[in-house]
Order: sequence, then C-alpha cells, then structure tokens
Amino acid sequence: KQEVTQIPAALSVPEGENLVLNCSFTDSAIYNLQWFRQDPGKGLTSLLLIQSSQREQTSGRLNASLDKSSGRSTLYIAASQPGDSATYLCAASTGGGNKLTFGTGTQLKVEL
Amino acid sequence: DTAVSQTPKYLVTQMGNDKSIKCEQNLGHDTMYWYKQDSKKFLKIMFSYNNKELIINETVPNRFSPKSPDKAHLNLHINSLELGDSAVYFCASSLRQGEKPQHFGDGTRLSIL
Repeated sequence: KQEVTQIPAALSVPEGENLVLNCSFTDSAIYNLQWFRQDPGKGLTSLLLIQSSQREQTSGRLNASLDKSSGRSTLYIAASQPGDSATYLCAASTGGGNKLTFGTGTQLKVEL
Repeated sequence: DTAVSQTPKYLVTQMGNDKSIKCEQNLGHDTMYWYKQDSKKFLKIMFSYNNKELIINETVPNRFSPKSPDKAHLNLHINSLELGDSAVYFCASSLRQGEKPQHFGDGTRLSIL
C-alpha cells in the first residue's frame, strides 16, 4: 500500500527566500509523481508532473525532482512571493496513472 | 470557460437523507474521478471512471454510487447520509488515464446535521 509523507507540515518564510518542500513515498513502482497547490476554499491546481522515467521538471520559478530509488521528490520554489502562499500537495500515481495517493500537504506562508 | 464544474458548492442536510453531487468537464478528458477531503485536509480517491467505465473503487461504502451518463459527466449519489460523510468532495478529470495532470473542480462542501 502506497503511503506518501510530506515534510514540513507548515513553513513560514520571508519574501524572496528560496525554499524546498519534501515528499517521500513508500512504493517506488510509481507511474508518475505530481505536485499540486491548493488555495483555501478551492480545488487543486496542477503544478508539475514528473514521469517515472524523468528526474526533474521545471516551470518558471518551480523545479521538481524525482528519485524513485530512494522514494523521494522535492519541490524547489525560487524567489518566493506572497502569492505563493498555499498548501502544496504531492501525489504518487499507480494503477497505470489513474490512482493518486496524496501526501498530507505542506502549508506555506510567504510573508512580506 | 474550460473547466471542471461541480454543483452544488455547498450542501447542508440532515442525517439519513439522500443527496447527489453533479460534475461536468468540458476539457475533452476521458477519465473522471471523485475524491474526499476530510476535516484534516487529507485527500483520498473514491472512484475513477474511464469512458463511462468504472476502473477504481476504493472500498467506499455502497451508500455511495457514482454514475457516468457520458464521459463528460460523473455524478455522485449518496444514500442514508451519516455524520462521517461530512467532508469536501472533489471531482477531477484527466486525459489518457493519468498520463496527463488531473484537473480539479472547486469542491462541494457537504455538512451533515
């Protein structure tokens, strides 16, 4: 049974700081690894998807890495902004990519 | 706008009632999902349909019955609502059975009195 853990549970940083969010999963036989953000009262917005054969993906100030052998993924946010404040969720997919197992999230607050 | 839309956004009802939540996507996706997010914000998959066919059923009580009339719609009917059913229910869709990112609706907040 896949289990996904995210550390830290909450993080507060000053604006402009670079930061790393961590995600670990117990079953390395994943189809892909996805990062989402969730704003209060809203659904999830997909940020990055890393296929199992890939090592990293980049989008703007976001970079996600994947190390299947160690069961880890990281989300790097460069030059953080107050608008980055949200809950960040990682999810490991199995079952041909259909079944996402979510972590418990990291609640990020970027302060002015 | 292209999106995954759920109705209603809020649902407040008495224990024992039967209720439905509707979901529609106009993204041309072939796979749709229902998730439950509990009070601790933990998100867990309930069902997945691909081209109207059920492909994932995660040991959800049979009081919950999904229905997919076509690949753009996935509705969720809940019988005999219980206090523990209080949660936010999210609908999502994706292309080619998970190869591409899932797109989520804004959720339906269900409160059982």
